[in-house]
Amino acid sequence: AQTVTQSQPEMSVQEAETVTLSCTYDTSESDYYLFWYKQPPSRQMILVIRQEAYKQQNATENRFSVNFQKAAKSFSLKISDSQLGDAAMYFCAYRSAIRGNKLVFGAGTILRVKS
Amino acid sequence: DVKVTQSSRYLVKRTGEKVFLECVQDMDHENMFWYRQDPGLGLRLIYFSYDVKMKEKGDIPEGYSVSREKKERFSLILESASTNQTSMYLCASSQVESLRGNTIYFGEGSWLTVV
Repeated sequence: AQTVTQSQPEMSVQEAETVTLSCTYDTSESDYYLFWYKQPPSRQMILVIRQEAYKQQNATENRFSVNFQKAAKSFSLKISDSQLGDAAMYFCAYRSAIRGNKLVFGAGTILRVKS
Repeated sequence: DVKVTQSSRYLVKRTGEKVFLECVQDMDHENMFWYRQDPGLGLRLIYFSYDVKMKEKGDIPEGYSVSREKKERFSLILESASTNQTSMYLCASSQVESLRGNTIYFGEGSWLTVV
């Protein structure tokens, strides 16, 4: 079974600074997807960024980028120029490309942004 | 705009009561999911449905059942609520598995307290 581990329960960053959230996963599959979801205090889960395992290039969405290390099974999220609105719970998630429906989540990392 | 609506945001129920949590999506998605979110555990899949009247158990189905009589609606049922079912419940939906990388959309969540 696949597992996702987020080892940082909480992180803090100063506004305008850069922060990296860590995620590792365990799988025997070669084709899969990885996601970072953001859950602000309003509780609506929002997709931040997605990475296909077959793509070597790291995904980027504006201020959000990932460092995908397939061999190390590592998938970290970097947030540049942090803003107050980035404060939220961030979840790393895995989905198989073969048995595709189920998302497996990590425990989450609370990100606090200081002004 | 994508919309997954959970009818109840906050509920308080007594031990032993039968509880219905309702979820409606307006995107004509085939797949629908119920997750439970607990601190330090992330999101865990309770049940999912890939078609009307079809369902599959997730990781923690014990104590829960589901109903999907119409494509747009997926209900989670707690037959006899217990205090250990106090949690946040998240509904989600997505298109069919065959579409690579299909995004999963979440509702705002339902906070259930069982006393």
